[in-house]
Amino acid sequence: DQQVKQNSPSLSVQEGRISILNCDYTNSMFDYFLWYKKYPAEGPTFLISISSIKDKNEDGRFTVFLNKSAKHLSLHIVPSQPGDSAVYFCAASAGGYQKVTFGTGTKLQVIP
Amino acid sequence: ETGVTQTPRHLVMGMTNKKSLKCEQHLGHNAMYWYKQSAKKPLELMFVYNFKEQTENNSVPSRFSPECPNSSHLFLHLHTLQPEDSALYLCASSQSGGRAHNEQFFGPGTRLTVL
Repeated sequence: DQQVKQNSPSLSVQEGRISILNCDYTNSMFDYFLWYKKYPAEGPTFLISISSIKDKNEDGRFTVFLNKSAKHLSLHIVPSQPGDSAVYFCAASAGGYQKVTFGTGTKLQVIP
Repeated sequence: ETGVTQTPRHLVMGMTNKKSLKCEQHLGHNAMYWYKQSAKKPLELMFVYNFKEQTENNSVPSRFSPECPNSSHLFLHLHTLQPEDSALYLCASSQSGGRAHNEQFFGPGTRLTVL
C-alpha cells in the first residue's frame, strides 16, 4: 500500500514555462513533506520541504504548495530550465520520526 | 572526498556469494541509512543508525546484515541473496534530531545484480 503517490511517471515542459509536479498522500499522520531531485547515476538530493503548519514554501524558482484537506502537494518550478531535467521524488514523514516515505518519482524533461 | 560515497558502484554476485557494500560520509553527520530501490518502486528504508546504534530495522531479511563501526562508515553485508534482491542500494546520512534528519544526503548507490 503506497502512502505517497506520484501518479504521473513523466512530464515534458518547454524551457521558460512552469513545471508542476503533483503528489498525493494517504497517511494523515504525515506532517512534513519533502521533494528530492535525482540525476542519472547520482543519489537523490534534497530540494525543498514544507511543514504541515504551512501551505506554501518558496525557494528561488521552486515553490511547494500543500493542501492538507486534499492530502495533496505540488512542486512548481518557474521558469523551467533544461538543467531541471531529472526525476523528482515526493517524500513525507510523521511525528518527527526519521523514517521518510518516498513516492515512485516523476521524470521531468525540460525541452530547450 | 566530499559528501556521501559508496563502493562498489556496481556488483554482480551469485546466490551463494558473500559480499559487502560500503558507505562513507564526510559531512559530520551522526545518522546513516540504507535504502533499497527496485525498478518502478519507491525507495524503501531498510536500516537507520544513530550515533552508531541501530534504531530502525524495517523488517529486512537476515540475509542483509548492516554494520556501523562509527558515525562516518556504514556497511551492508550480503549473503545467500535471491535474484529478487537485485536493486539499487542507496546510503544516506543526516544530522540526528529535529527535522534535519528528514533532509538526507544520498550517495550515488550500488547497482546490485544477483544471478
